[in-house]
Amino acid sequence: SQQGEEDPQALSIQEGENATMNCSYKTSINNLQWYRQNSGRGLVHLILIRSNEREKHSGRLRVTLDTSKKSSSLLITASRAADTASYFCATDFPETSGSRLTFGEGTQLTVNP
Amino acid sequence: DGGITQSPKYLFRKEGQNVTLSCEQNLNHDAMYWYRQDPGQGLRLIYYSQIVNDFQKGDIAEGYSVSREKKESFPLTVTSAQKNPTAFYLCASRGWDRSQETQYFGPGTRLLVL
Repeated sequence: SQQGEEDPQALSIQEGENATMNCSYKTSINNLQWYRQNSGRGLVHLILIRSNEREKHSGRLRVTLDTSKKSSSLLITASRAADTASYFCATDFPETSGSRLTFGEGTQLTVNP
Repeated sequence: DGGITQSPKYLFRKEGQNVTLSCEQNLNHDAMYWYRQDPGQGLRLIYYSQIVNDFQKGDIAEGYSVSREKKESFPLTVTSAQKNPTAFYLCASRGWDRSQETQYFGPGTRLLVL
């Protein structure tokens, strides 16, 4: 079964608004990563947060991690139409070998101009 | 999409036919991965390889086979035993970006059954 589950499944906002996506997982992790996928394309790595970190920033992206609740959130500030894509969280947990990632089902973000 | 190429972009398979999807990387990465993505869903791991001449099954390996004879190449064969092969297939390799180990993805191959 999928380790990560995103919420909401779909999100539609206006340009300039903030977008928040959430990810929950089931077991202890080494780190949690967020990826972006434009329609019909490969995934692009956005940001990685380690299990001992609580918050991380990269440009307009802000990621938080709450290991007690086994959840993470991705905030995109001042969204643009070009941010329209699917966003996936992926967890790397200690029980697996080969740095396997387990992906959630994603949040489809639509930013309307 | 980094230094990973996948070909072809679209592939059509007839009933009972084996088809091979190509994945090549010039990033000098040791580890490579194959994922399957169905519409509106996340990625599921098919096979992965941590080093040349070694590979392990992922979560959905049945009906698929791989080889890793060269560091740069990790081809995936979809065999006739895979009864529902229509999907988007993504190849990835693992490497370092800004002091963090992440996966780099190719552009994908869409497999359709005739």
